[in-house]
Amino acid sequence: ETGVTQSPTHLIKTRGQQVTLRCSSQSGHNTVSWYQQALGQGPQFIFQYYREEENGRGNFPPRFSGLQFPNYSSELNVNALELDDSALYLCASSLRLAGSKNIQYFGAGTRLSVL
Amino acid sequence: SQQGEEDPQALSIQEGENATMNCSYKTSINNLQWYRQNSGRGLVHLILIRSNEREKHSGRLRVTLDTSKKSSSLLITASRAADTASYFCAPSQTGANNLFFGTGTRLTVIP
Repeated sequence: ETGVTQSPTHLIKTRGQQVTLRCSSQSGHNTVSWYQQALGQGPQFIFQYYREEENGRGNFPPRFSGLQFPNYSSELNVNALELDDSALYLCASSLRLAGSKNIQYFGAGTRLSVL
Repeated sequence: SQQGEEDPQALSIQEGENATMNCSYKTSINNLQWYRQNSGRGLVHLILIRSNEREKHSGRLRVTLDTSKKSSSLLITASRAADTASYFCAPSQTGANNLFFGTGTRLTVIP
């Protein structure tokens, strides 16, 4: 167990709806990254939050947005859901320090199905 | 591209055999990490090798790194059915705070 928890574990939405996914970081970690993993593919980096601000973003449209809270937990919001948004969404926490190894600790993921 | 590319895409072996999977990357790195993912679950960090290291061991895992060829290999010795999973390499650049993953190697260990 990594100490990173995600909720919910499964979610079904319809096209056009909005969804919020949640993540609690491992104790002591100050950075949260979100990844999208389509079936049969590797995880694709969505964005990262550090000190409550977005700190890097992958090739995802603005309808993917996020938040990081003072306790370092995080939310991923997706607006105007599309069928292609169906995927496993992974949250990973890490400790960002000078000289850190950049090891990511992943939660078990949220499986989102868009119908 | 900052991600690693794993090869082969799929590997099937008998329990007790060794499994070798390879990773190639294109950028200079600070370290390279290997992760395992059981079906539909989160990734688990296995081992990290720094750019100034050539080989590293952890239990039944052996990782090599050749920075001149921008390649790495992961060897799992005496495989077990529980090793069945997807394996991803993740090159990490100096100062980077996130990782980029390829499509992974799907390992099946047959009991």
